[in-house]
Order: sequence, then C-alpha cells, then structure tokens
Amino acid sequence: EVQLVESGGGLVQPGGSLRLSCAASGFFFSSYWMTWVRQAPGKGLEWVASIKQDGSEKYYVDSVKGRFTISKDNAKNSVYLQMSSLRAEDTAVYYCARGEGYNYESFPSYFDSWGQGILVTVSS
Amino acid sequence: SYVLTQPPSLSEAPGKTASITCEGNDIGSKGVHWYQQKPGQAPLLVISFDNDRPSGIPERFSGFNSENTATLTISRVEAGDEADYYCQVWDRSSGHWVFGGGTKLTIV
Repeated sequence: EVQLVESGGGLVQPGGSLRLSCAASGFFFSSYWMTWVRQAPGKGLEWVASIKQDGSEKYYVDSVKGRFTISKDNAKNSVYLQMSSLRAEDTAVYYCARGEGYNYESFPSYFDSWGQGILVTVSS
Repeated sequence: SYVLTQPPSLSEAPGKTASITCEGNDIGSKGVHWYQQKPGQAPLLVISFDNDRPSGIPERFSGFNSENTATLTISRVEAGDEADYYCQVWDRSSGHWVFGGGTKLTIV
C-alpha cells in the first residue's frame, strides 16, 4: 500500500523558514516524480513544485521561485520542501503527491497518491 | 500561464446526473484529470486521461474532453458524492501542472 506522510509544518513568522518532509513507503520511490501541492484555507488546490525521479530536474510555480527548494533523497525514500522568506500568502495545507501517467516527454500527467497534508501557518 | 475555469458550485438531487465542466484554451488537446476532495481529506483521483477510472472508482464517474471544454459526469448521484471536484492538466508550454479552481457539488 502506498503511503505518504508529511511532517514539519507549524507556525512561522513572516520572513522565516520551514522545511517540510514527506516519507514514502509501499512503492519503488526512486522510480517516481514527486510533487508538493498546497491549499490555502477555504481555497482550491495549487501546484507548488515537482522533482524528477533522480532529482535532476525541478519545477516551481512562479510565486515560490527563488524562495522554495524541492529535494529528494532516494536512499531515505523522502522528498522535502525547504521554504524560506515565507509570506502570509504561503499559509496553506501542503500535500505531498506521487506523479503518474508519464507522457511521451516523461513528465507525470497526474497525481495518483497523496499524503494527508500538513498545515503551514505564516503569521506574526 | 494556462488557465482552467470551473463553475464554483453545482447542486443536484439524489439519483440525477451531475455534470461539472472545466474550460481551457484547446483543452481537448491535453489529457484532463479529475480529483474529488471531501472536507478534511486529501484529494482523490477519480478520472485520469479524460475518461479513465482508477481502480475502486465507481462506473458512475465518467469524463469527456473536446475542443475547449472537459466534463466530469457523475450519474445517479448519491449523498456520498458531495465534495469539491478539481480538474487538472499538465501544460507542456510551461512545464507546469495546473488545477482548475474547483467546483463544490452539493446533493440536495
């Protein structure tokens, strides 16, 4: 059974930093792209960042470029999101998700397994 | 950047058919995926590549995608189908994944 478990969330002041972790199990982690998706309170889903199987390619939504860094440790079956220069608008539940449905360009088309989410609150 | 537009809300009576639309420029050329999200829960994939149902998703869920509109159809809706539904595509031009704004389906 695929399991994704996020940790590391909490309350942080504007301008602060936080590192989210996602521990994966039940599948061959090194064969999958991994992604972070967030959801602000009462709002919709927003794709945040994705990382290729071996960590060689990373993609970010424009609003977090230069502030967030996604990384992947295949030896530890974990994916991370280092968040810095946090803003109030980064307040959200952050989900870790597994990419699937690889297209002809080897990008995942959708996300077939999700963690339970972790809340990040940016406030003074 | 690529934009997907969904109606914010939709109401339907039990036993009827609910159709949730997702509009995007030439969306028919892309693979569209749909997620169901119930309060306090993570999203659940219900349709991939326009009309493929993952294992465990009832046959009542189906999809269609053509030109500028993709549609998720839920037949014989039940109280348990009440949830937020999101469409999603991968945008080749930007290399980004995009979600629609979501549609809240209420069973009345």
